[in-house]
Amino acid sequence: DGGITQSPKYLFRKEGQNVTLSCEQNLNHDAMYWYRQDPGQGLRLIYYSQIVNDFQKGDIAEGYSVSREKKESFPLTVTSAQKNPTAFYLCASSIDWTGYQETQYFGPGTRLLVL
Amino acid sequence: GEDVEQSLFLSVREGDSSVINCTYTDSSSTYLYWYKQEPGAGLQLLTYIFSNMDMKQDQRLTVLLNKKDKHLSLRIADTQTGDSAIYFCAEVSGDSGAGSYQLTFGKGTKLSVIP
Repeated sequence: DGGITQSPKYLFRKEGQNVTLSCEQNLNHDAMYWYRQDPGQGLRLIYYSQIVNDFQKGDIAEGYSVSREKKESFPLTVTSAQKNPTAFYLCASSIDWTGYQETQYFGPGTRLLVL
Repeated sequence: GEDVEQSLFLSVREGDSSVINCTYTDSSSTYLYWYKQEPGAGLQLLTYIFSNMDMKQDQRLTVLLNKKDKHLSLRIADTQTGDSAIYFCAEVSGDSGAGSYQLTFGKGTKLSVIP
């Protein structure tokens, strides 16, 4: 059963703490992405990775970090430097980054709440 | 910069057709997408259209593309209560010379289906 999994579904964090959100895919996709969604807003790109051991900043990378040590995994760390971390985080993947075809498939999301 | 605009809300009666509209700005967009998001869930790819097409039909879904006006629409025939969700329009935009592309999303249209 192929797809993208994100865990946990809900995550609580105290102010000042770092927290890592998991994203795993078994679709054999090269490219992976992290988005943030706020109520009434579209999706904003945080980071993306075209291939293993490579990643690039998106539009709102400040306060976040990522790694891409394995093709299947693209974890996102929300650091204490992120001033407003409460949001719904979505991970996505696409077959590759060949240029202009980016059909992205999304995971179920993780809702992060800062207490 | 690139921008994708959608109306935020749409209400229709069950059995009627729904038409969700979207305008985009990047005339070089090659692919345009429609995604569906149910409450608390990730985004589900509904359909996409290549820029050299005017129309694409897939069961109850019809996508119309007017490149001249940069207008995209999604028509859902015989709308059901299960179609209640947020619908996102997205375009591929970027710099072909640099080989850098990005998926830009609208803020989403919340479709409410009245029984």
